[in-house]
Amino acid sequence: RKEVEQDPGPFNVPEGATVAFNCTYSNSASQSFFWYRQDCRKEPKLLMSVYSSSNEDGRFTAQLNRASQYISLLIRDSKLSDSATYLCVVPQRAGNNRKLIWGLGTSLAVNP
Amino acid sequence: IAGITQAPTSQILAAGRRMTLRCTQDMRHNAMYWYRQDLGLGLRLIHYSNTAGTTGKGEVPDGYSVSRANTDDFPLTLASAVPSQTSVYFCASSERPTTGELFFGEGSRLTVL
Repeated sequence: RKEVEQDPGPFNVPEGATVAFNCTYSNSASQSFFWYRQDCRKEPKLLMSVYSSSNEDGRFTAQLNRASQYISLLIRDSKLSDSATYLCVVPQRAGNNRKLIWGLGTSLAVNP
Repeated sequence: IAGITQAPTSQILAAGRRMTLRCTQDMRHNAMYWYRQDLGLGLRLIHYSNTAGTTGKGEVPDGYSVSRANTDDFPLTLASAVPSQTSVYFCASSERPTTGELFFGEGSRLTVL
């Protein structure tokens, strides 16, 4: 099993729809999790983090299910501007350091 | 506030040439990173620096070197470029090395012929 796995998509949804992506991880010791957004040919930008069961920021909610080892990103009332690739990131301890395990991303296209 | 500045934004390079990608941050972040991003492979860490004066190897360090003489600058050097180093390179920084909250530069698109 890969350390971090995401459904690559693409997810095609109409404006106003609710869409959710999952990200599964293999290291049960991970404590914090992050979602990044990356527009085409641009740099990744931090969207939100989740440390407890859920974190909500406007139309976006990140949820954590430790028992099943996945995090999800829920987007409500989708906008055209939400079209992007969403990257899941799981920090893992590596000796005295921490390393970030990046998913390959889920592509979202919001259509008019 | 500029955040992180990378240069050049794009470069075409002949194989065997030496190339340095520049990265400067103005946020006084302790940790800095160099990633490469390739289709189907995602973001892969090349080198990192937890604080000025220290560097470490990531998962794909071969063919690359870095230095961290001060807090703000973290250049990445390709000593002798090869076509497999064709990629988009992102520099990033974080306030501390243990966080997953990274700030990225706009990227440097490198083509090695």
